[in-house]
Amino acid sequence: DAGITQSPRYKITETGRQVTLMCHQTWSHSYMFWYRQDLGHGLRLIYYSAAADITDKGEVPDGYVVSRSKTENFPLTLESATRSQTSVYFCASSGFSRDSSTNEQFFGPGTRLTVL
Amino acid sequence: KQEVTQIPAALSVPEGENLVLNCSFTDSAIYNLQWFRQDPGKGLTSLLLIQSSQREQTSGRLNASLDKSSGRSTLYIAASQPGDSATYLCALRSNDMRFGAGTRLTVKP
Repeated sequence: DAGITQSPRYKITETGRQVTLMCHQTWSHSYMFWYRQDLGHGLRLIYYSAAADITDKGEVPDGYVVSRSKTENFPLTLESATRSQTSVYFCASSGFSRDSSTNEQFFGPGTRLTVL
Repeated sequence: KQEVTQIPAALSVPEGENLVLNCSFTDSAIYNLQWFRQDPGKGLTSLLLIQSSQREQTSGRLNASLDKSSGRSTLYIAASQPGDSATYLCALRSNDMRFGAGTRLTVKP
């Protein structure tokens, strides 16, 4: 299926465990993003990637690790989950040029993560 | 640091009314501004993208404007319908992405 997918859609884990959230897009978009959405904070950027093997920190990167070995995949890992990382996580992708509609960002359906 | 503010936080209107949602930002050095809608428990759906060099974009009953000099964008919804009820978010792209907190819109039949 074309588009952007996330897995799992729901995850419950315990404090201290490692968790990996997956994101896959079929558009060959150069840019991919990870956000978290929390009541009272809205959407905040965790990490983003401009291309394979290029990643940069966003607003709230602490406690997260990303990698991008292939253009279409952008996994997000919580190395030692904490309760404060309970959130809804969204992945997004876009192309990019300074003046083009390819900049439009498309979002996945989200992963609801609960850390007990 | 880019600050993005959306006013009002919530809005309730009767069906058929025209309405305007506001988005203000502090740093005009942006690549683009994008408007999204989010239904409860769902992901974000892109509505309109305005490039930095553009002043407005239109899609159906939606019209978005961008004024970088004043740090403002507006989303105009014409002839509102109950199906328009959702949270509307603006997002600014520069070296990263910053979202506003959103406006929760309710359109009453």
